[in-house]
Amino acid sequence: GAGVSQSPSNKVTEKGKDVELRCDPISGHTALYWYRQRLGQGLEFLIYFQGNSAPDKSGLPSDRFSAERTGESVSTLTIQRTQQEDSAVYLCASSLMVIDNEQFFGPGTRLTVL
Amino acid sequence: GQQLNQSPQSMFIQEGEDVSMNCTSSSIFNTWLWYKQDPGEGPVLLIALYKAGELTSNGRLTAQFGITRKDSFLNISASIPSDVGIYFCAGRPNYGGSQGNLIFGKGTKLSVKP
Repeated sequence: GAGVSQSPSNKVTEKGKDVELRCDPISGHTALYWYRQRLGQGLEFLIYFQGNSAPDKSGLPSDRFSAERTGESVSTLTIQRTQQEDSAVYLCASSLMVIDNEQFFGPGTRLTVL
Repeated sequence: GQQLNQSPQSMFIQEGEDVSMNCTSSSIFNTWLWYKQDPGEGPVLLIALYKAGELTSNGRLTAQFGITRKDSFLNISASIPSDVGIYFCAGRPNYGGSQGNLIFGKGTKLSVKP
């Protein structure tokens, strides 16, 4: 597709369940980023991938959060044993390279943990 | 972690008025970016600034990279209803480590009254 796509657009889950969020970056973009946006807040960096390099996981808030990326394509963000404070919009972005400042964002996945 | 102070938090203005918002940080940034986010969408890049003192325009938008490298402002002239949204500043700090990590402000919510 022409832009970054994310699925699902909305996810409602019960506390303690695991969730998987998916991101399809723009074709040819080597860098992929995950951010979390709590209601009324700015974007909080979680993790980024650059090509085959080891991902930068410095923003992951706990070991319940993990992400994978297959080559330079799809990425999944997994949250295990979800908590209510995990409720947020999870945004994915991609760019040609990490040092390229123009990050193109997807529409996000709105996660609600009951 | 690193924080950006963005102000004002919200603005409610009359169509045709000019708008000004700014971001400050406690440390030096290499890059300042301004994004706009519409409801249900991901942020879209408006302007990118790469050098201290740089002044860049994009239509009715003008942004500047502060001389101290610790601040930036965004001006919107002659606002129109479609300017409504949340404006975020973002920056890449000048410290060794993650080059991919953008720090975001908490946003300025702009409302325009026709």
